[in-house]
Amino acid sequence: DVQLLESGGLLVPPGGSLRLSCAASGFIFSNSAMTWVRQAPGKGLEWVSTITGSGSHTYYTDSVKGRFTISRDNSRNTLYLQMNSLGADDTAVYYCTKMGGDFSGDSWGQGTLVTVSS
Amino acid sequence: DMQLTQSPSFLSASVGDRVTITCRASQGISSYLAWYQQKPGKAPKLLIHTASTLQSGVPPRFSGSGSGTEFTLTISSLQPEDFATYYCQQLNSYPLTFGGGTKVEIK
Repeated sequence: DVQLLESGGLLVPPGGSLRLSCAASGFIFSNSAMTWVRQAPGKGLEWVSTITGSGSHTYYTDSVKGRFTISRDNSRNTLYLQMNSLGADDTAVYYCTKMGGDFSGDSWGQGTLVTVSS
Repeated sequence: DMQLTQSPSFLSASVGDRVTITCRASQGISSYLAWYQQKPGKAPKLLIHTASTLQSGVPPRFSGSGSGTEFTLTISSLQPEDFATYYCQQLNSYPLTFGGGTKVEIK
C-alpha cells in the first residue's frame, strides 16, 4: 500500500523558515510526480507546488514563488518543501500527495500543521 | 490563471437523495478534472479522475461527467458516510487550481 508520512510542521514566528518532509513507501517513488497541497484553518484546498519524478521540473503557486522550494531525494524516497519568509497566510495543514498518470492526487498523507505566529 | 467555480457551496440533503455538484472552469480543460471527498480532520480522498473515471475502491453511486468547461459530480443515492466536503481540481495547466468546495450536510 502507498504510504505518505509528512513531518516537520511547527509553530514558527513570522519571517521564519521551516522544512517539511514526506517519506514515501509502497510505490516506485522516482516514477511519480509529487505535490504539496495546503489547507488553511476552516478554508478550502490550495495547490502549492509540484515536482516531476526526476526532479527536473518544478511548479509553484504565485504566492509562494521565491519563498518556497520543492525538492526530492529519490534515493531516500523523500519529498521536501523548504519554506522561507513565512507569513501568517502560510498557516495551514500541508499535505503531501502522489500524483497519478493524469496528475490527480491519488494518494495523500495525513498532513502536517504549520503555524506562523509570534 | 484558471478559475474553478463550484456550486452550490453548501447543500442539505437526506439519505437516499440524488445529489449533483457542478464545477465550471473559466477556460476549456478537456477532461482534466478530478473530484475529491474530504471529511473533517481527514485528508482528501480521490473519487473521480479524468472527469468520469471512478477511482479504484470508490462506490459506484459516485459518478462524474462533463468536458470542456462544465463538469458534474453525482451521488445517485446519498449514504450517511457521504456527508463531507467535495472539491474539484483542474489538471490541465499550472497552477492546478481547486474549486471552492461543496459541503454536503444532513437535512
